[in-house]
Amino acid sequence: NAGVTQTPKFQVLKTGQSMTLQCAQDMNHEYMSWYRQDPGMGLRLIHYSVGAGITDQGEVPNGYNVSRSTTEDFPLRLLSAAPSQTSVYFCASSEVAETDTQYFGPGTRLTVL
Amino acid sequence: AQTVTQSQPEMSVQEAETVTLSCTYDTSESDYYLFWYKQPPSRQMILVIRQEAYKQQNATENRFSVNFQKAAKSFSLKISDSQLGDAAMYFCAYRSAVQGIQGAQKLVFGQGTRLTINP
Repeated sequence: NAGVTQTPKFQVLKTGQSMTLQCAQDMNHEYMSWYRQDPGMGLRLIHYSVGAGITDQGEVPNGYNVSRSTTEDFPLRLLSAAPSQTSVYFCASSEVAETDTQYFGPGTRLTVL
Repeated sequence: AQTVTQSQPEMSVQEAETVTLSCTYDTSESDYYLFWYKQPPSRQMILVIRQEAYKQQNATENRFSVNFQKAAKSFSLKISDSQLGDAAMYFCAYRSAVQGIQGAQKLVFGQGTRLTINP
């Protein structure tokens, strides 16, 4: 049972490049989400999903796309990276109906030059 | 919208002493959950303790306990017998308990408090 995994752990992009941050969980959790962590601002929700085929925006969705084709995977896409997207990105998952703990992945540190 | 505020960007404590981290929140909901997460230098987010708003009894987990004041919307974390391994960033977080609403599971985080343990 690997829990929540994220790849890559580190990434450097140039402005305008695109990339996908991968997130996978093997706990059969319906709920998955992406957060970004910036100094002095805690973690902020980007997008979330309550099940395969269902996604919605969080607090800071601009510049990011998501899709949920399977229960296990929830990739986050940056279509045209900007320096303002330099951050640490966390994926999390949990049960939907229960008041369960959210399990976090190890994070991806992204730098956009 | 709910907000969470941690007014102490940094705290320090002597090893073996007790320290309290503050957290206040704003919500119009009556049923919710509150959490404290620990983030060590490894970056991993680790759940420390959880409190259900409908429970009057304060949650405890070994050396960690909370002081939950619902009317004051305050949720502080007390760490007793501080250890070097407690050094980390600590985040307070809020989650709605409203059932049947999409996205109710989302967490709202405070800005974090960096805790240093002095040997």
